[in-house]
Amino acid sequence: EAQVTQNPRYLITVTGKKLTVTCSQNMNHEYMSWYRQDPGLGLRQIYYSMNVEVTDKGDVPEGYKVSRKEKRNFPLILESPSPNQTSLYFCASSSHPGAHEQYFGPGTRLTVT
Amino acid sequence: QKEVEQDPGPLSVPEGAIVSLNCTYSNSAFQYFMWYRQYSRKGPELLMYTYSSGNKEDGRFTAQVDKSSKYISLFIRDSQPSDSATYLCAIVYGQNFVFGPGTRLSVLP
Repeated sequence: EAQVTQNPRYLITVTGKKLTVTCSQNMNHEYMSWYRQDPGLGLRQIYYSMNVEVTDKGDVPEGYKVSRKEKRNFPLILESPSPNQTSLYFCASSSHPGAHEQYFGPGTRLTVT
Repeated sequence: QKEVEQDPGPLSVPEGAIVSLNCTYSNSAFQYFMWYRQYSRKGPELLMYTYSSGNKEDGRFTAQVDKSSKYISLFIRDSQPSDSATYLCAIVYGQNFVFGPGTRLSVLP
């Protein structure tokens, strides 16, 4: 089944404790992206990657890191999480940059206390 | 001014009603216009897309774009309880996707 998977689905952590949210897709997609979704603000892009070893900042990259060492994986790293990073995070992929359809993962709900 | 504005709702309608969901945008460079549907506790999924002014129909759904007014709409005919979800407009230029905040729709049986 073609899908985007994320882990963990739920995470509660404390300020400053480094964490990684994994994202994997099995569709051989070139383009992958991370979003955060907050009430009233909608989906905002954090980082995106157009291919292996090619990443770029989205609209809200501060406090986040990403890497794209393999085509299928695109982890999101929070080196020192803060409470304002409490949010619902989505990973997405599409066949190529500019493709109109993005496939979204199920989401990761992160709470930073 | 946000790049994409959308009435957040919530919007409640009876089953069978015609629903109109709307977005406005500010950047004339936007190329593609899309509607995503997001069920509770799920990721968004693409419902419809278009790149030109005018109407595009798919079953009970019609997407309408007016580039001169920078206005996009989604119409749902004969709405069903299964249409209850949050609807996100999304607009693309280059590699950039810009989403509206979403409108939560409830269709009551």
